[in-house]
Amino acid sequence: GAVVSQHPSRVICKSGTSVKIECRSLDFQATTMFWYRQFPKQSLMLMATSNEGSKATYEQGVEKDKFLINHASLTLSTLTVTSAHPEDSSFYICSARPAPGTPKRSYEQYFGPGTRLTVT
Amino acid sequence: QKEVEQNSGPLSVPEGAIASLNCTYSDRGSQSFFWYRQYSGKSPELIMFIYSNGDKEDGRFTAQLNKASQYVSLLIRDSQPSDSATYLCAVNLDSGGYQKVTFGIGTKLQVIP
Repeated sequence: GAVVSQHPSRVICKSGTSVKIECRSLDFQATTMFWYRQFPKQSLMLMATSNEGSKATYEQGVEKDKFLINHASLTLSTLTVTSAHPEDSSFYICSARPAPGTPKRSYEQYFGPGTRLTVT
Repeated sequence: QKEVEQNSGPLSVPEGAIASLNCTYSDRGSQSFFWYRQYSGKSPELIMFIYSNGDKEDGRFTAQLNKASQYVSLLIRDSQPSDSATYLCAVNLDSGGYQKVTFGIGTKLQVIP
């Protein structure tokens, strides 16, 4: 299956600092990547949709100035949590949808392993 | 009304039994439907994808879709303890070229040895 990596897998930071999370599609090109957040015992909540070379589309209630998304290439998207606070502590998961015309199934989202963020 | 509804469970079934997981969705324009399995602390993995009314079988898994009634279900035959996980129903809607996948809260399945 397709491989999507995330780095770091786990991060602890102090309140007020910024944290960058990387999402990479390792064996396919992804024009679209998605960023989700999951709190304990809750479902995946889509935060934003990231398209290569254009601005991300944020879901209602997600602050675009706090959660900065950059999708600079067909294999890399980054999420930066700026001025993190304890309430931002969560499991952040990215997924990547293969570009049309690739051998991968373009209807499927391939998920990364997730990043556990703890803000103290 | 939530866009995608699932009973959070837990659903407990004995080993070898059939587990039946249900999901309803609100948007009639939804076009494709997914079942993901998520183990605790891990990210989801796709186990079934369906877009046509009826049944789709893959090994021990069968997905059933009824667009008129707006529900999709997942049957797991010969349930194994390793099937114990949370099963997420996801619905894809193409809205003017913008595709959005919405997830349900997930049903926690416990298979009792």
